[in-house]
Amino acid sequence: TQLLEQSPQFLSIQEGENLTVYCNSSSVFSSLQWYRQEPGEGPVLLVTVVTGGEVKKLKRLTFQFGDARKDSSLHITAAQPGDTGLYLCAGALGGTSYGKLTFGQGTILTVHP
Amino acid sequence: DTAVSQTPKYLVTQMGNDKSIKCEQNLGHDTMYWYKQDSKKFLKIMFSYNNKELIINETVPNRFSPKSPDKAHLNLHINSLELGDSAVYFCASSQTGTAYGYTFGSGTRLTVV
Repeated sequence: TQLLEQSPQFLSIQEGENLTVYCNSSSVFSSLQWYRQEPGEGPVLLVTVVTGGEVKKLKRLTFQFGDARKDSSLHITAAQPGDTGLYLCAGALGGTSYGKLTFGQGTILTVHP
Repeated sequence: DTAVSQTPKYLVTQMGNDKSIKCEQNLGHDTMYWYKQDSKKFLKIMFSYNNKELIINETVPNRFSPKSPDKAHLNLHINSLELGDSAVYFCASSQTGTAYGYTFGSGTRLTVV
């Protein structure tokens, strides 16, 4: 059973469309992070959210942390081909986990010109 | 001035061999990790070291042995390689604490034939 359920697994859209990726869990996280990974490279941190209800914006990307800190979403406005990649959510359970992150299965996004 | 560097980038070896992957970070982080990414892109933690001390050891076969000579280095040695060990292995580092994101290396693609 996945601790973090990410959906959808695959997303293929046209340039200019909007999209949302979801990350859900039954566990409460002390923080949740989103990463983007390109082929042949390691994941790159996009954002960290730590407060329930928090919303962060990064240009055309909007990240939201659920009020109960069990879920998160990533919304991309007017997607561009350069947004193509694997998007990963990752949660930290806190306590003495020393920053251990549990990752979702990932969403492979393809934006067609 | 790469932040987290892993070597080698590619490793092709025969079953039964022993191999090592090296990782170094120059970010001054005190926690380092090894993650395994399978063919479905799922990232799973293997080990975590905090200031050279082993903190997390997930259910990994004892053929895998990490070693941290100092807090800037974390190496992974694998004995008696098996076909199922084929994957991409990522080293990462972070500051201690669940609100801090990881900086990943670019990965080592291990292929066991």
